[in-house]
Amino acid sequence: DIVMTQSQKFMSTSVGDRVSVTCKASQNVITNVAWYQQKPGQSPKALIYSASYRYNGVPDRFTGSGSGTDFTLTISNVQSEDLAEYFCQQYNNYPLTFGAGTKLELK
Amino acid sequence: EVQLVESGGGLVQPKGSLKLSCAASGFTFHTYAMNWVRQAPGKGLKWVARIRSKSNNYATYYADSVKDRFTISRDDSQSMLFLQMNNLKTEDTAMYYCVRQMISFSYWGQGTLVTVSA
Repeated sequence: DIVMTQSQKFMSTSVGDRVSVTCKASQNVITNVAWYQQKPGQSPKALIYSASYRYNGVPDRFTGSGSGTDFTLTISNVQSEDLAEYFCQQYNNYPLTFGAGTKLELK
Repeated sequence: EVQLVESGGGLVQPKGSLKLSCAASGFTFHTYAMNWVRQAPGKGLKWVARIRSKSNNYATYYADSVKDRFTISRDDSQSMLFLQMNNLKTEDTAMYYCVRQMISFSYWGQGTLVTVSA
């Protein structure tokens, strides 16, 4: 199975900051990576697919990048509504696998 | 508006069975691959199963942990997705989400909670 490693379980930020959440795949997944946002008590929401493409309606302060094994979700000008947990996922190989998540918190 | 509404969760004893349903609306259900993803309380996301569209012969795929115990199916005429779960184990306790796939998991339902406990 491909392991998706999000090394930071928690990240502290302030409103207006720029923050980058990283994800490392245990083998090459090309650009078949997605990012999801989950707020407490809610289901996940899709943000990014194919490593760098935003789904419709996702604010442009969310940017995805990377290929191969290293991927990054960058949030520019963090807003209070962005405080949530973020998961990466690879869909290059079965089983489809997720990272363990990174919680974005206020400093 | 895309809607995915799961139902069928509840409390079941170990080795018991349960069938989850997902009612889809607001999109052309039959053209999409669909998935079930679960999340144990306080834990991360785990993909469970996938079923492709009719044009892809309704091919199915499963996580190893549920293979031979769970069966994913769909009824395109009713825009419904199902997950038959047999021989349930305590480690199957989780919120189960119905998920539409467009490249990646583009839309998620609100989930139905399955608790496996004696």
